[in-house]
Amino acid sequence: AQKVTQAQTEISVVEKEDVTLDCVYETRDTTYYLFWYKQPPSGELVFLIRRNSFDEQNEISGRYSWNFQKSTSSFNFTITASQVVDSAVYFCALAISSGSARQLTFGSGTQLTVLP
Amino acid sequence: DTGVSQDPRHKITKRGQNVTFRCDPISEHNRLYWYRQTLGQGPEFLTYFQNEAQLEKSRLLSDRFSAERPKGSFSTLEIQRTEQGDSAMYLCASSKRDIENTEAFFGQGTRLTVV
Repeated sequence: AQKVTQAQTEISVVEKEDVTLDCVYETRDTTYYLFWYKQPPSGELVFLIRRNSFDEQNEISGRYSWNFQKSTSSFNFTITASQVVDSAVYFCALAISSGSARQLTFGSGTQLTVLP
Repeated sequence: DTGVSQDPRHKITKRGQNVTFRCDPISEHNRLYWYRQTLGQGPEFLTYFQNEAQLEKSRLLSDRFSAERPKGSFSTLEIQRTEQGDSAMYLCASSKRDIENTEAFFGQGTRLTVV
């Protein structure tokens, strides 16, 4: 079975601070995919990034960066110079490609509040 | 609007009543998913369609739940004899390819309150 743990339930920062959201995953599959989604107050989940298990290169997209480390089963997300608009719930998710499962296993989310 | 559309956005129902939710996916997406999200938790997978075929069902989907996707377009999720534990946000998502290989687009959800 797959499991995703986001130990940080809530984080509050002041605008322009950097913030890192932690994600630890568990799976026995060697081929898997990791995701981050953002859920603003409007409710819909917005895709941020997808990573497969064979690509451990870190990625940067604007103020967002992701650190994937298979050795520690972690896929952490950093927002640099946070802005009030970054306030949302962020979910880390895991999918496997074996068997017939076509589903994402989500963590419980981290509520990020960026204060002006 | 070319996003995933869900209707209604909110539903309040009395325990024991039946409810039906609708999801209209992005038109060229042949994969459609239903997820349930309770307060303070991440979404949990319920079921998956490829075109009109329901290919995967979670154990969370009890006999009181049924989902359809006639003609591979919109989908409906029906809950019969609702219970208070069914109160949750029901999210629909669609994608062009299997969800592990691509970005999935989510709707804004239907928030169900069973009183």
